[in-house]
Amino acid sequence: EAQVTQNPRYLITVTGKKLTVTCSQNMNHEYMSWYRQDPGLGLRQIYYSMNVEVTDKGDVPEGYKVSRKEKRNFPLILESPSPNQTSLYFCASSLLTLAGTTGELFFGEGSRLTVL
Amino acid sequence: EDQVTQSPEALRLQEGESSSLNCSYTVSGLRGLFWYRQDPGKGPEFLFTLYSAGEEKEKERLKATLTKKESFLHITAPKPEDSATYLCAPVPNDYKLSFGAGTTVTVRA
Repeated sequence: EAQVTQNPRYLITVTGKKLTVTCSQNMNHEYMSWYRQDPGLGLRQIYYSMNVEVTDKGDVPEGYKVSRKEKRNFPLILESPSPNQTSLYFCASSLLTLAGTTGELFFGEGSRLTVL
Repeated sequence: EDQVTQSPEALRLQEGESSSLNCSYTVSGLRGLFWYRQDPGKGPEFLFTLYSAGEEKEKERLKATLTKKESFLHITAPKPEDSATYLCAPVPNDYKLSFGAGTTVTVRA
């Protein structure tokens, strides 16, 4: 089954304790991306990757890191989490079209993170 | 800077009461538009991609249309299972995909 898998789905942590949210896709997609979703602010892009070792900032990258060492995986790293990073996080992937744009995005089920 | 605005923010409908949602954008060189549906606490689910002005696509009770400045998502004779938040996003020029804030639709039986 084609899917994007995120882990953990739920996490409560404390300020400053490094954490990683993993994302894996089984569709051989070139493009992967992370979003956070907050009430009233909608979905905001954190980072995206067009292929292995190619990443770039989205609209809200501060406080986050990513890496793309393998095509299927795109982990999101919070080196020193703060309470304002409490949010619902989504990973997504898609093929890149011949026109050089993203195709339809497939989203994971989300990871709800609380930073105390 | 590209901007995407969805209206209304919320829409409450009776079952069978058709309505439309709007997605307007200021995007230079629009390459297309995505529509997604999102259920509470879940990841968005792809509905449509529209690529050119005048294009229309349908799926069950949903029909999406596209002009040069805006897109509409028409819901015909909605059912309670159509309750969700509907999101739009222009197909990006530079891989940065920006979503509108969404329209939350509630359909009462």
